[in-house]
Amino acid sequence: SQQGEEDPQALSIQEGENATMNCSYKTSINNLQWYRQNSGRGLVHLILIRSNEREKHSGRLRVTLDTSKKSSSLLITASRAADTASYFCATGSYNFNKFYFGSGTKLNVKP
Amino acid sequence: DVKVTQSSRYLVKRTGEKVFLECVQDMDHENMFWYRQDPGLGLRLIYFSYDVKMKEKGDIPEGYSVSREKKERFSLILESASTNQTSMYLCASSFETQYFGPGTRLLVL
Repeated sequence: SQQGEEDPQALSIQEGENATMNCSYKTSINNLQWYRQNSGRGLVHLILIRSNEREKHSGRLRVTLDTSKKSSSLLITASRAADTASYFCATGSYNFNKFYFGSGTKLNVKP
Repeated sequence: DVKVTQSSRYLVKRTGEKVFLECVQDMDHENMFWYRQDPGLGLRLIYFSYDVKMKEKGDIPEGYSVSREKKERFSLILESASTNQTSMYLCASSFETQYFGPGTRLLVL
């Protein structure tokens, strides 16, 4: 399976701390994307990093991609209680027809 | 603002019933997807469609069928609902990035 796998499965931190989540995958990819899901809702796209990029920033989010290790990390800086959610990585195929999701990291940010 | 809507947020059906889940997108995307999400299993792809009347099986198509008669609409059909199809169903459309609907939580009794 090409499925991405997130690590850790669950993470609990205090507000203001940084949160780091990792994703590993198995095959070559066109891009890797991170999504957030609040409890019982649909997924919201956060950031996309292409296979020829190594790092990308969006606000308090920083994503890195290491294609040699087939891994990516998502860093949320200065976390807030509103960041409490599940975070998923998804690998995108070259024809944009398929995406493979991991089972997610559940982040709890305590106020 | 991009929008993917799903016909119901919550649905309760009886075993053996035929169930229709509808998804509509307003972004003129060619690709549309149906996933189910279960605790500990993440998102699993049921079917996807890359054009009108075109469909491909995902990882878990058994017990499901789909219909795409118009570009903006992608329907998931449970021909004869079973209790193991109780789940959260998520629809998405994409060009490069996937945009998700709010999900339908289906309970089959």
